[in-house]
Amino acid sequence: DVKVTQSSRYLVKRTGEKVFLECVQDMDHENMFWYRQDPGLGLRLIYFSYDVKMKEKGDIPEGYSVSREKKERFSLILESASTNQTSMYLCAVRQGIRIGQPQHFGDGTRLSIL
Amino acid sequence: AQSVTQLDSHVSVSEGTPVLLRCNYSSSYSPSLFWYVQHPNKGLQLLLKYTSAATLVKGINGFEAEFKKSETSFHLTKPSAHMSDAAEYFCVVSADQTGANNLFFGTGTRLTVIP
Repeated sequence: DVKVTQSSRYLVKRTGEKVFLECVQDMDHENMFWYRQDPGLGLRLIYFSYDVKMKEKGDIPEGYSVSREKKERFSLILESASTNQTSMYLCAVRQGIRIGQPQHFGDGTRLSIL
Repeated sequence: AQSVTQLDSHVSVSEGTPVLLRCNYSSSYSPSLFWYVQHPNKGLQLLLKYTSAATLVKGINGFEAEFKKSETSFHLTKPSAHMSDAAEYFCVVSADQTGANNLFFGTGTRLTVIP
């Protein structure tokens, strides 16, 4: 299975800062995803990418952007961090788009915005 | 349309007793279904998947799930709970068409194992 590595386990930033969350896979899979996870709300999709420089909005893209310059790396950017973006952020990778293929997750980044 | 309902937000069992985590799904076509486990402050780990082969699916750590089309259910079971099974479990359904974004997550069931 693919190994998904998120650069930081815990991160503390201040309101208004530009924040970068990095995700790297050790294979060559096309599809990568960013989710946030909040108590009582489950996992919500922020953005996904199906190839280099290709991206699509998920369910809650407001306040976020993404970058995929290389196939193995997918970055989530908080343009101007706000306290309501305090959350657990999870990156996932899936090979191809055929039905039945699961996503594989990183260990998550717990982000606190003060 | 696809959706998943996990019927219990919290399940508590004694160590050594059976585990049952319930999941019902809704899907227009034959679904692909998954169970994931999440330990505290960790990502989601795939436990098992159903993709229209055998209806009884065996996963890691002694877990298994049975796909029942007539009941639209995909309940997760384990014969004997271990302390290390304490975690949050997510039932997930895959959309019936191809596409990059095709997973729908349940809201999770927190499993507590009592020594």
